[in-house]
Amino acid sequence: EVQLLDSGGGLVQPGGSLRLSCAASGFTFSSFAMSWVRQAPGKGLEWVSSITDSGGRTYYPDSARGRFIISRDNSKNTLYLQMNSLRADDTAVYYCAMDPGGYSHRYWGEGTLVSVSS
Amino acid sequence: QSALTQPASVSGSPGQSITISCTGTSSDVGGYNYVSWYQQHPGKAPKLLIHDVSNRPSGVSNRFSGSKSGNTASLTISGLQAEDEADYYCSSYASSARYVFGTGTTVTVL
Repeated sequence: EVQLLDSGGGLVQPGGSLRLSCAASGFTFSSFAMSWVRQAPGKGLEWVSSITDSGGRTYYPDSARGRFIISRDNSKNTLYLQMNSLRADDTAVYYCAMDPGGYSHRYWGEGTLVSVSS
Repeated sequence: QSALTQPASVSGSPGQSITISCTGTSSDVGGYNYVSWYQQHPGKAPKLLIHDVSNRPSGVSNRFSGSKSGNTASLTISGLQAEDEADYYCSSYASSARYVFGTGTTVTVL
């Protein structure tokens, strides 16, 4: 059974940093691209970042580029999202997701809440 | 990259069929066969219903079907059930941003 366990969320002040983790199990982690998707309170889904299976290529929307860094450790079956220069509008539940090929997110974690406030 | 446009809400009675539209541009929905649909119940993670316009992952009910015409994709739910009451999001590959999600549609079962 595929499991994705998101963690690392919490309350952080504007301008601060946070690192999210996503522990994967139940599939060959190193064979699949992975993504982070977020959802602000009461709002829709927003793609945050993606990384290829090897970690060799990363992708970001304009809202995350230059502030967020996605990475992975295939030896630990873990995906990461380093978030810097956090702003109030980064407040959201952050989900990690497994991308099976093509451009869809097949399996999702339960999400971890990031709150940016002074 | 702007979000894809979905109706805010759609409703139907049990047993009926409903269709949710998802309108983009030739740079996303219209340009690629990479439209996905997700179902999200309150407080839960999204669930993939449809990928690559019309393909269902294993375990997804065949009451859910997808299609596309031009810059608009559609999700049809047939035989509407109470458990289908949820938020639904489309998503597409976009040449400028890799992924773009729709604005979301709340489905109400009357």
